[in-house]
Amino acid sequence: DVVLTQSPLSLPVTLGQPASISCRSSQSLVYSDGNTYLIWFHQRPGQSPRRLIYKVSSRDSGVPDRFSGSGSGTDFTLRISRVEAEDVGVYYCMQDRHWPLTFGGGTRVEIK
Amino acid sequence: DVQLVESGGGLAQPGGSLRLSCTVSGFTFSSYSMVWVRQTPEKGLEWISYIGERSTTIYYADSVKGRFSISRDNAKNSLYLQMDSLRAEDTAVYYCVRDRPPAVAGHFFDLWGQGTMVTVSS
Repeated sequence: DVVLTQSPLSLPVTLGQPASISCRSSQSLVYSDGNTYLIWFHQRPGQSPRRLIYKVSSRDSGVPDRFSGSGSGTDFTLRISRVEAEDVGVYYCMQDRHWPLTFGGGTRVEIK
Repeated sequence: DVQLVESGGGLAQPGGSLRLSCTVSGFTFSSYSMVWVRQTPEKGLEWISYIGERSTTIYYADSVKGRFSISRDNAKNSLYLQMDSLRAEDTAVYYCVRDRPPAVAGHFFDLWGQGTMVTVSS
């Protein structure tokens, strides 16, 4: 199975400051169609996960442009340019290239 | 409004059974494959089962293979998860999640239900 390793586990950030989360895959997530299949989710306390980004860098409708995804092959990053209070919660990466689909362990973002 | 509403969770004894349901509204259910994902504080999010839009393709995670059975009724806009031989480690919140239309390479996971709690304990 593909193992996704997220870091850091916990990320205290100051409001208005940037934040960056890493997701490393044990296998390449590039498919034969040339696309790379990695998704980012955000889960606020007491809520279901919400998809933010798919195919590494495509932002979902309604997701603020302060969120961006980047990376290739096995190394990916989610960036928040200026953290706002509503951004707290846990962020998960998920690979949708290989069966079984697998998730990273999550990164908890909190305000300092 | 798009809605995925799970039901059927609760307390079950080890070795027992539960059947989860997910009723969908606000999109054409029969045009999408669907998945079940569960979440525990210890293991985080875990994909456990996938069913294609016409039920012809079904996958399970090794952790539930042979014990859980996914199904759907497109006429009733409903997804199901029959859980047998339950174990303590099946204790989790179970989410019904919209996956993808046919002939699409990537997965969607763009719509999630609110989740239903399953507790396996004697």
